[in-house]
Amino acid sequence: QKEVEQNSGPLSVPEGAIASLNCTYSDRGSQSFFWYRQYSGKSPELIMFIYSNGDKEDGRFTAQLNKASQYVSLLIRDSQPSDSATYLCAALYNFNKFYFGSGTKLNVKP
Amino acid sequence: EPEVTQTPSHQVTQMGQEVILRCVPISNHLYFYWYRQILGQKVEFLVSFYNNEISEKSEIFDDQFSVERPDGSNFTLKIRSTKLEDSAMYFCASSDRTGNTEAFFGQGTRLTVV
Repeated sequence: QKEVEQNSGPLSVPEGAIASLNCTYSDRGSQSFFWYRQYSGKSPELIMFIYSNGDKEDGRFTAQLNKASQYVSLLIRDSQPSDSATYLCAALYNFNKFYFGSGTKLNVKP
Repeated sequence: EPEVTQTPSHQVTQMGQEVILRCVPISNHLYFYWYRQILGQKVEFLVSFYNNEISEKSEIFDDQFSVERPDGSNFTLKIRSTKLEDSAMYFCASSDRTGNTEAFFGQGTRLTVV
C-alpha cells in the first residue's frame, strides 16, 4: 500500500513567520513529489514539485526532499493570511499515478 | 492562461442512474486524469489516460466507471449505476507529459447521489 502521510493540523503561524509543512511517503519507488494548495471547496493548485534530493526554491516557497528518510517538506517564508489553506502533498508513482496525503490545514493569523 | 474546464459544476442524480462528467483538458496536453475527493477526505486517484487508452487505474475504478475521449477535445468519466458513496467532488486534470511535470486541475464537478 502506497501511503503519503501528513499531519492534519491545523498549523497556526503569525503573519510574516515561516510555516513548515511536512510529509512522509512509504514507497521508495516514487519518482517525484508535489505540493498543492487547496482552498475550501476548490480544486488543488500546484505550488511546486521536486524530484531531486535537496532544496528547490520558488519565490517564498522552498521544497525539500530527503529520499533516504522518505521525507518531503514545504517552507513558506513571510506567511500571509492569504496562504491560509490546506496543503496537499502528493507522490508520483509509475510516472502517471499520484497519491495524495490528507493535507495539512494552515492558518496564518494577521 | 489555458485551463482545464469541467461541466457541470454540480450534478444531482438518483441512485442507480448513469452520469457523465465532462472535461476539456488544456489543448496541447496529452495525459489526462480523473480524481475524486469525498467531503473531508483526501484526493484519490481514479484513472490516467494517454493515447486513447487507460494507462493506470486505481482499485476504486471498477467496472461501473469508464472513461472516453470521444473527440479531440473532451474527456469524459461515466459512472454507470451510481451509488450513494459515489457522492464526491470529481476533478479532471491534464499534463503535457508524465513524470516530473505539473498536472493542472479543473474546478471540479460536485456529484450528489440521492
